[in-house]
Amino acid sequence: SQQGEEDPQALSIQEGENATMNCSYKTSINNLQWYRQNSGRGLVHLILIRSNEREKHSGRLRVTLDTSKKSSSLLITASRAADTASYFCAGTTFWGADGLTFGKGTHLIIQP
Amino acid sequence: DGGITQSPKYLFRKEGQNVTLSCEQNLNHDAMYWYRQDPGQGLRLIYYSQIVNDFQKGDIAEGYSVSREKKESFPLTVTSAQKNPTAFYLCASSISGTGAAYEQYFGPGTRLTVT
Repeated sequence: SQQGEEDPQALSIQEGENATMNCSYKTSINNLQWYRQNSGRGLVHLILIRSNEREKHSGRLRVTLDTSKKSSSLLITASRAADTASYFCAGTTFWGADGLTFGKGTHLIIQP
Repeated sequence: DGGITQSPKYLFRKEGQNVTLSCEQNLNHDAMYWYRQDPGQGLRLIYYSQIVNDFQKGDIAEGYSVSREKKESFPLTVTSAQKNPTAFYLCASSISGTGAAYEQYFGPGTRLTVT
């Protein structure tokens, strides 16, 4: 697996605004995944983007992947209070069934 | 309902005691994983299993042991050799244990406190 490093570490925005968080990784990946964790809970899978994809959408989520820069971004549009959570990324190689390696995450706070 | 369950939600133990955390899934997934999370940190991989009767060490396996006798069960034992066992433990599963990576499904976690 490939560790992702999320940036910023924390982000606070007003409800209704868009939130963007970034992820960088070090070596080649087959795909990159984003997860959300609400306080004290397990992680929930949000989206998986493959190395041959540049952009992917799922509801209010938009993920981009730039393999030349080894980076990805997660955009949450029209944020809601329920989006308050920590967000983690993890890249995987083709034989990626050996577990995911996560960074410290971006802690997103949506102010009402 | 399909899903992955962990029990108990909170666990308190005295130092020097072994403790076993339960993880069960009814998703018919081949692969299962154990992670540890410390406050303000990401998850670190303890052990993973790609198929029944087989498991591999992750990044921080020292002081832990696992078994995978059944497809749906992957218990984790925190032994007295683990120097800092107090943490939040998360179990996960995914469809396949080999080949391309798939999304992982996480349980609700067990918060272990050792005093």
